[in-house]
Amino acid sequence: EIVMTQSPATLSVSPGERVTLSCRASESVKSNLAWYQQKPGQAPRLLIYYTSIRATGVPGRFSGSGSGTEFTLAISSLQSDDFAVYYCQQYDDWPRTFGLGTKVEIK
Amino acid sequence: QNTLKESGPALVRPRQTLTLTCSFSGFSLLTTQVAVGWIRQPPGEALEWLALIYGDDTKVYSPSLRSRLTITRDTSSNQVVLTMTHMDPVDTGTYFCARSLLLASPFDLWGQGTTVTVSS
Repeated sequence: EIVMTQSPATLSVSPGERVTLSCRASESVKSNLAWYQQKPGQAPRLLIYYTSIRATGVPGRFSGSGSGTEFTLAISSLQSDDFAVYYCQQYDDWPRTFGLGTKVEIK
Repeated sequence: QNTLKESGPALVRPRQTLTLTCSFSGFSLLTTQVAVGWIRQPPGEALEWLALIYGDDTKVYSPSLRSRLTITRDTSSNQVVLTMTHMDPVDTGTYFCARSLLLASPFDLWGQGTTVTVSS
């Protein structure tokens, strides 16, 4: 199975800062990579799919990039609503696999 | 409005079989490429994909859990059912159902999740 590795595990940032989250696949997933945001007690919410396409209603401060095995989620100016755990997921092959997540916390 | 909602027992004894139901509305599972899947999350841990069923009744399972899982659909009642046999305390967690719209696509719509505790 394709292993998804996210880094860092935790990011401590201040509101207004730019953050970059990384996701690496153990083999190429082409552009079939999604990012989800999950807040405590809630279901994951799709943010980005096909590497760089924002899902409906997702603010423009979220952007995705990469291809093959290296991917990045960037948040241009962190808002209070953005403190959460972010997961990447590949949907290029079976089984579908998720990374272990990056927690973005308030510094 | 497109929604999914999970239901099932909150407590299951070890070695018992878990049956979870995902009731959905606003879309049809009769379209070939549309699918409903199950994903679980142990407390404080990451997401794990379990199984998925497509509109043409194609089923895909996690290899690590394949022997314990069965996914079925009832298109007349807009429900997808997941059964997991031989439950163990390590299976404790929140179980989500979610929709996928294409053969290779992410989960764009999620249910709120249902929490299952496995304990004697």
